[in-house]
Amino acid sequence: DIQMTQSPPSLSASVGDRVTITCRASQSINTHLNWYQHKPGKAPKLLIYAASTLQSGVPPRFSGSGSGTDFTLIISGLQPEDFALYYCQQSYSSPRTFGQGTKVEVK
Amino acid sequence: EVQLVESGGVVVQPGGSLRLSCATSGFTFDNFAMVWVRQGPGKGLEWVSLVTWDGDTARYADSVKGRFIVARDNSKKSLYLQMNSLRPEDTALYYCAREARFLEWFEAFDVWGPGTMVTVSS
Repeated sequence: DIQMTQSPPSLSASVGDRVTITCRASQSINTHLNWYQHKPGKAPKLLIYAASTLQSGVPPRFSGSGSGTDFTLIISGLQPEDFALYYCQQSYSSPRTFGQGTKVEVK
Repeated sequence: EVQLVESGGVVVQPGGSLRLSCATSGFTFDNFAMVWVRQGPGKGLEWVSLVTWDGDTARYADSVKGRFIVARDNSKKSLYLQMNSLRPEDTALYYCAREARFLEWFEAFDVWGPGTMVTVSS
């Protein structure tokens, strides 16, 4: 199975900050990497697929990059509604493993 | 509007069985693979199972292999998860989600239900 490792597990930030979350796969997954946002009491939301393609309706302050084993999610100009958990997930092979999550908290 | 709604979550004793359902609407159900994902208390998201559009192929996480069975009824636009030999560590909020294919080669879970809670406890 492919293991996904996110860092950091949590971070504190302020509105307007630039936030960077990284995700590393235990083997190459090309660009078969997705990012999700998850808020308490709500269903997870797909933000980015194929490592860098923004899902329809997602604000452009979210961006993704990377290929192979190393990936990055950047939030440029954090907004109040962005405080949440973020997960990476590989779709290269089954099982479709998730990273352990990164909690973005208010500083 | 595309919708997924899970049901069937209850409190069940260890060793017991349970069947979850996921009713869908607003899209052509048999065009998509479907998945179950769970989140245990204080834990992250864990992929549980996947079934292909035609129901012919199923995949499972090692943690549930041999105990859970995923199925679908395309005529009813519904997804199911039969959960047997339940353990306390199966306690979680269970989500069903649609696996969409993008750019011909890339899959992602683009629509999710609100989840149904399963508690395994004596």
